[in-house]
Amino acid sequence: GAGVSQSPRYKVAKRGQDVALRCDPISGHVSLFWYQQALGQGPEFLTYFQNEAQLDKSGLPSDRFFAERPEGSVSTLKIQRTQQEDSAVYLCASSSGQGARYTEAFFGQGTRLTVV
Amino acid sequence: SQQGEEDPQALSIQEGENATMNCSYKTSINNLQWYRQNSGRGLVHLILIRSNEREKHSGRLRVTLDTSKKSSSLLITASRAADTASYFCATELGGNKLTFGGGTRVLVKP
Repeated sequence: GAGVSQSPRYKVAKRGQDVALRCDPISGHVSLFWYQQALGQGPEFLTYFQNEAQLDKSGLPSDRFFAERPEGSVSTLKIQRTQQEDSAVYLCASSSGQGARYTEAFFGQGTRLTVV
Repeated sequence: SQQGEEDPQALSIQEGENATMNCSYKTSINNLQWYRQNSGRGLVHLILIRSNEREKHSGRLRVTLDTSKKSSSLLITASRAADTASYFCATELGGNKLTFGGGTRVLVKP
């Protein structure tokens, strides 16, 4: 497809369950970002990949959060032992440049995670 | 923590009117971007303004940047019902990430 694709669109997890969220960036985009957006707030940075290298994971809230992009294209955000405070929309974005400098980021529709 | 803060938090206007929203930020930036988000289309990039630019136009959008005041404004002229959305400013401090504000929720009434 032409845009950033995320799956699933919606995920309901029981507390303590592990989840995996997938992001297919725009083909050829070097940079890939994950953001977390709580209801009524702006997106908060989680992590950044340049090709397969995870260059910044300063936004990951705990060691229960793990992201990978092994072949420099598709990325997976994994959350282990989910907790209610993990409920949010998880957004993936990609850009053709390196990092966020001077290039626009294209966002996917997001995955809405609800932990019950 | 959020670098940018939008003002107002919510805005309700009639179709055809102009809408203005402001963004203030705390530290020096390389660029500032505005995004729109609605339930149908997710986050969409609107405009990017570099730190050495003062004003930029794109269609019905006008963005200003005042680095001395650490603030930016987004003006939407001749608003349409389709402009109903949340608008976010995002700052790029250096390298890897955009830092978003809390957003302005705009309602354009037909």
